[in-house]
Amino acid sequence: DQQVKQNSPSLSVQEGRISILNCDYTNSMFDYFLWYKKYPAEGPTFLISISSIKDKNEDGRFTVFLNKSAKHLSLHIVPSQPGDSAVYFCAESLGTDKLIFGTGTRLQVFP
Amino acid sequence: DVKVTQSSRYLVKRTGEKVFLECVQDMDHENMFWYRQDPGLGLRLIYFSYDVKMKEKGDIPEGYSVSREKKERFSLILESASTNQTSMYLCASSFSAGFNEQFFGPGTRLTVL
Repeated sequence: DQQVKQNSPSLSVQEGRISILNCDYTNSMFDYFLWYKKYPAEGPTFLISISSIKDKNEDGRFTVFLNKSAKHLSLHIVPSQPGDSAVYFCAESLGTDKLIFGTGTRLQVFP
Repeated sequence: DVKVTQSSRYLVKRTGEKVFLECVQDMDHENMFWYRQDPGLGLRLIYFSYDVKMKEKGDIPEGYSVSREKKERFSLILESASTNQTSMYLCASSFSAGFNEQFFGPGTRLTVL
């Protein structure tokens, strides 16, 4: 049973500081992960991805780290901005065009 | 830019009504998906289509059906709406090549009274 878990339903961070969102997975066969960001009343938008051939992928203020031995990935946002306040979903690609999504973490960045 | 559109942003229906949710994508994607999003449950896959007239059940297909008569259009049908189908419905599309990001529409907030 493939599962993707985001154990923190919410996170509150001060503007300018680092936000760290975590995700754990159980399936090791297809190590390709994506992060999506979702604002209220909008669809999720793709943010960043990482495959098993890397342990880090960076795009501007966003960096995703993959720890395969721990089956854990994390998204770092530095520096955090109020516009980053949203729900963040991690997702695992099964290599079959389908994605398994986590339950999401609501990030609030306050001034 | 990929554009995925959904026919309604907000919809209110009564128990027992037949409900149609429409989704259109303009990027010639092979794959189309219907999800529902509920608090604390994340995004759950209802149905998936990898080609015209082809469909595959997702994790929660009960109470739903789908139709894909044209490549760009994927419809979700609630045969007899129930209150537990009140949710945010999200449509997505992607190319067919294994590891690919999905592009989402804006969602339809459905309330069943």
